[in-house]
Amino acid sequence: SAVISQKPSRDICQRGTSLTIQCQVDSQVTMMFWYRQQPGQSLTLIATANQGSEATYESGFVIDKFPISRPNLTFSTLTVSNMSPEDSSIYLCSVEEGRVQGYEQYFGPGTRLTVT
Amino acid sequence: GEDVEQSLFLSVREGDSSVINCTYTDSSSTYLYWYKQEPGAGLQLLTYIFSNMDMKQDQRLTVLLNKKDKHLSLRIADTQTGDSAIYFCAESALRLIFGTGTRLQVFP
Repeated sequence: SAVISQKPSRDICQRGTSLTIQCQVDSQVTMMFWYRQQPGQSLTLIATANQGSEATYESGFVIDKFPISRPNLTFSTLTVSNMSPEDSSIYLCSVEEGRVQGYEQYFGPGTRLTVT
Repeated sequence: GEDVEQSLFLSVREGDSSVINCTYTDSSSTYLYWYKQEPGAGLQLLTYIFSNMDMKQDQRLTVLLNKKDKHLSLRIADTQTGDSAIYFCAESALRLIFGTGTRLQVFP
């Protein structure tokens, strides 16, 4: 399975600032995803990032707030812009790999963000 | 709309079997997944089942799918303290939709 790393693993940021989270995969993948997990909650998909095209955002998430880059098949970044305490969450990068028996989606370790 | 529900908590004694249940609403789901999240960690893919199957077994894990009732379950045999975690089910049609998560606590 794909090995996914994220940087930073955690950060404490002041409101009004921006943070860029990096996601690196050890193999080339077509589909990459960014999720948010608010404290004590389940995962919510922010956007799908495919190389060579603009990211597709889910309802409730906009590009101005969460710009995404996908410069190649192994790397993506998510920026959380103009942060407020409500943005305090774990942000997870995920990739999809196709197998004979189905599609498998793997997750990075997450970036724990606290906004003060 | 799409919705995936799970019970919030399950507590079992070490050595017993655990059964975590999940209901979903999207009948077009093609795959259904189980993930494990330990404290402070990311999500680990445990197993998944294709929607035209009704059972899948993988070592201590057994997945049962009742497509008619849109009910999915994960049975963990011989539950160990290392199985203590939050378990998420997820359905996939166009994208993964996660359940609310079940916190499994295993006590000696």
